[in-house]
Amino acid sequence: QVQLQESGPGLVKPSETLSLTCTVSGDSISSYFWSWIRKSPEKTLEWVGYIDGSGATNYNPSLMSRVTISADTSKNQFSLRLRSVTAADTAVYYCARGQLVYDYWGQGTLVSVSS
Amino acid sequence: DIQMTQSPSTLSASVGDRVTITCRASQSVSRWLAWYQLKPGTAPKLLIYKASTLESGVPSRFSGSGSGTEFTLTINSLQPDDIATYYCQQYNSFSQSFGQGTKLEIK
Repeated sequence: QVQLQESGPGLVKPSETLSLTCTVSGDSISSYFWSWIRKSPEKTLEWVGYIDGSGATNYNPSLMSRVTISADTSKNQFSLRLRSVTAADTAVYYCARGQLVYDYWGQGTLVSVSS
Repeated sequence: DIQMTQSPSTLSASVGDRVTITCRASQSVSRWLAWYQLKPGTAPKLLIYKASTLESGVPSRFSGSGSGTEFTLTINSLQPDDIATYYCQQYNSFSQSFGQGTKLEIK
């Protein structure tokens, strides 16, 4: 059974960098696509970006200038970094398996942006 | 960008009822439409993809239909475990967007 688990700080100060890690079990991140998706209180679900098994990435154009997704195959983890955060980045962040359709998800982690 | 509009936003129904949620796209997405179930504190669940294909392990009381710009998710014989918020998602031409969600409550 494929399982994903998000981890990282639940509170980030404005203008700083949000960093989250997703640990995957039951599958290798060297295969397929692995994504980040978020759900803010005011908006619906929003795709953030993905990394594929070769390390290639693709990002939501609205976030592209601030986002980096990377992978550590030795730990079977992939990570999200979102720079220069504002209150609008407060959301539940999910990691998921898939490029366009997501068949396995983590339970999500709430990240609040506040001073 | 393709806008996805779900209706209703909130739905209250009784155990055993048949429930239908509608999702409309601002332009045709062919059959590139998925449905997800979200419950607080739990991993979201893929229910349906390609408009009507049931994901493995999803109960057969869930079904999807539609094409182009109008789609429906139907739950036959509503169960207490179905209390959740449901989202549609279009994934046409390597773009994607989600509906605003339909919160399902049990009467």
